[in-house]
Amino acid sequence: DAGVIQSPRHEVTEMGQEVTLRCKPISGHDYLFWYRQTMMRGLELLIYFNNNVPIDDSGMPEDRFSAKMPNASFSTLKIQPSEPRDSAVYFCASRGGQGNTDTQYFGPGTRLTVL
Amino acid sequence: QKEVEQNSGPLSVPEGAIASLNCTYSDRVSQSFFWYRQYSGKSPELIMSIYSNGDKEDGRFTAQLNKASQYVSLLIRDSQPSDSATYLCAVYTGGGNKLTFGTGTQLKVEL
Repeated sequence: DAGVIQSPRHEVTEMGQEVTLRCKPISGHDYLFWYRQTMMRGLELLIYFNNNVPIDDSGMPEDRFSAKMPNASFSTLKIQPSEPRDSAVYFCASRGGQGNTDTQYFGPGTRLTVL
Repeated sequence: QKEVEQNSGPLSVPEGAIASLNCTYSDRVSQSFFWYRQYSGKSPELIMSIYSNGDKEDGRFTAQLNKASQYVSLLIRDSQPSDSATYLCAVYTGGGNKLTFGTGTQLKVEL
């Protein structure tokens, strides 16, 4: 299996611009999670989906953040407008399938820098 | 009180020694516990999962769980320089699907 795929791997943008991060979960997994990691706050859950439906978005910091999952193989995390404090590494993770279903597998992450 | 607490380290051990990493959690109903390893600039990767009280061994790694004390630990035997990384403790909290991570313990294995 290819694992969780994220794009882009690096993104540098200017304050005020729209940023879209993309994620393809592992095939057959029915949960998808978006995390943000910073030195100050560690790894934080932003939102998660089950069967393409958003279940808990309480970690989304502001209305500037939105996430969608139009189908089982694709999700986006959008920041509009972006701010320098959004600079972080954003990870997507998925879980599910046969056997052990509660282990989360992480993608390589997107390192976002907002200037 | 944080939901999942770890000593940030760094924890330095000589090559070949046993590294002991500790984690405490606050949610008494938690049932699933995980250790992830994260190399600098990389994503977290699963090392061990544990669900029952006691020890679980996998190669050089042993996870220990004590639900009464709300304590999880990871032992790494015969530590190698390649084990140098940040180790994240993670616990499902709130009875649901939220995996809460500790801030991680940085391990340095010295030659």
